[in-house]
Amino acid sequence: ELKVEQNPLFLSMQEGKNYTIYCNYSTTSDRLYWYRQDPGKSLESLFVLLSNGAVKQEGRLMASLDTKARLSTLHITAAVHDLSATYFCAVTFNAGGTSYGKLTFGQGTILTVHP
Amino acid sequence: EAGVTQFPSHSVIEKGQTVTLRCDPISGHDNLYWYRRVMGKEIKFLLHFVKESKQDESGMPNNRFLAERTGGTYSTLKVQPAELEDSGVYFCASSHLSGYNTGELFFGEGSRLTVL
Repeated sequence: ELKVEQNPLFLSMQEGKNYTIYCNYSTTSDRLYWYRQDPGKSLESLFVLLSNGAVKQEGRLMASLDTKARLSTLHITAAVHDLSATYFCAVTFNAGGTSYGKLTFGQGTILTVHP
Repeated sequence: EAGVTQFPSHSVIEKGQTVTLRCDPISGHDNLYWYRRVMGKEIKFLLHFVKESKQDESGMPNNRFLAERTGGTYSTLKVQPAELEDSGVYFCASSHLSGYNTGELFFGEGSRLTVL
């Protein structure tokens, strides 16, 4: 059974600081996703990582994937208040013809950025 | 273009009652998924439609849950009779059939179900 673990689950950051959220998964995966969710809103896709060594950046967020270690990181640079949200990683494995939409999620990391 | 819409946004019912949640996917999206997040737990897959056919319903908790997608457009998820442990947020997501390979899902805002 595919399992995904994120840490930390709660992250309180000061504005301007850097931090990393970690996502470990238990078995081989085809792709890894990072999502952001604001309270009461939908999950917004941030990154899709497809291969070992993949690195993607958008603004103050950078995601990377190490398939050998079964580890992805979401690095936050110089945090600002607007980044406060819940961040989820999710993985999928296209086994037996099921689609890539069957995701296994981590528990989510609640990020709070304060002055 | 309208995103994935879900209705109701919040439903409060008593144990034993019936609730029907509705999801309207993005127009033209053949793949439709239901997920659920019980408080304090991970978001978990419930089932997957391709057009009107159930592709994978391995995540459905039990036979009190019934999902339909008549005509391959909107989908409903009925819980009957509801139990306390059914409380949570039910998310719907959709993707284009070509999303089979891109995997990009578009999520709705969820329907929060509270069973008292």
